[in-house]
Amino acid sequence: ETGVTQTPRHLVMGMTNKKSLKCEQHLGHNAMYWYKQSAKKPLELMFVYSLEERVENNSVPSRFSPECPNSSHLFLHLHTLQPEDSALYLCASSRRGVGGNYGYTFGSGTRLTVV
Amino acid sequence: GQNIDQPTEMTATEGAIVQINCTYQTSGFNGLFWYQQHAGEAPTFLSYNVLDGLEEKGRFSSFLSRSKGYSYLLLKELQMKDSASYLCAVRADSNYQLIWGAGTKLIIKP
Repeated sequence: ETGVTQTPRHLVMGMTNKKSLKCEQHLGHNAMYWYKQSAKKPLELMFVYSLEERVENNSVPSRFSPECPNSSHLFLHLHTLQPEDSALYLCASSRRGVGGNYGYTFGSGTRLTVV
Repeated sequence: GQNIDQPTEMTATEGAIVQINCTYQTSGFNGLFWYQQHAGEAPTFLSYNVLDGLEEKGRFSSFLSRSKGYSYLLLKELQMKDSASYLCAVRADSNYQLIWGAGTKLIIKP
C-alpha cells in the first residue's frame, strides 16, 4: 500500500459501458491528480483538483468526467470510451503550494482495456 | 515548450553500476525527482534534487547540474529487483505540478 488506494486494479469495458474509477488518500494531501500512462510515453496529466476545485483540465475528451467530492476522494467517470483509451490510469496526490521535497504519492493504477 | 529526455531502455549486469541520464528544457526549475516503477505497479519516489551536486541514498545516488539542464540517477551493486522503469520529473515553477519524462526501462541480467 502506498497511501493512495485505487480501485479497481483491472477493468475491461465495452465502448457503450459506463464505469467509474475510484481513488482515495488519507495522507493529508490537498491536491489530487488523474494521469494516463501509455506504453513508452510520458505520463499524461488529465485532471488536477486542488482543495476540491478542478484547477486543470488538459483538453481531455468529455467521455472522461472527474469528480472530487472531498479532499480524500477522487473519481473518474468513464462512458462511451474508445479502444485508444486503453491504458494505465494513475491517481496521485500531493501537498499544494509547498516547495521542497514534496513529490507525488501514486496509487497502484487501474489497467483499463476497452473492447 | 517543456521537454524531458531520457533513454528508452538500458541493460546492465547484476552487481554492476548503471547511470541513467535525464536532460530537461523547462520554463523554470524548482526541483527534479526520480521515481521507480515496477511493471504494473505505482511509481514510487526515489530522490529529489534542487541544488547542484550529488545526493546519495544507499545504493542510489542522483546528480543535478542546473546550468546544463541535466541529471543522472546512479545505481550501484545492481540487483535483479532493480529491473524497473525509472521516471525523471521536473517541477518547473513554485506550483505543485510535475513535468514527466517517458521513463527508462532498466533490464538487469544475471
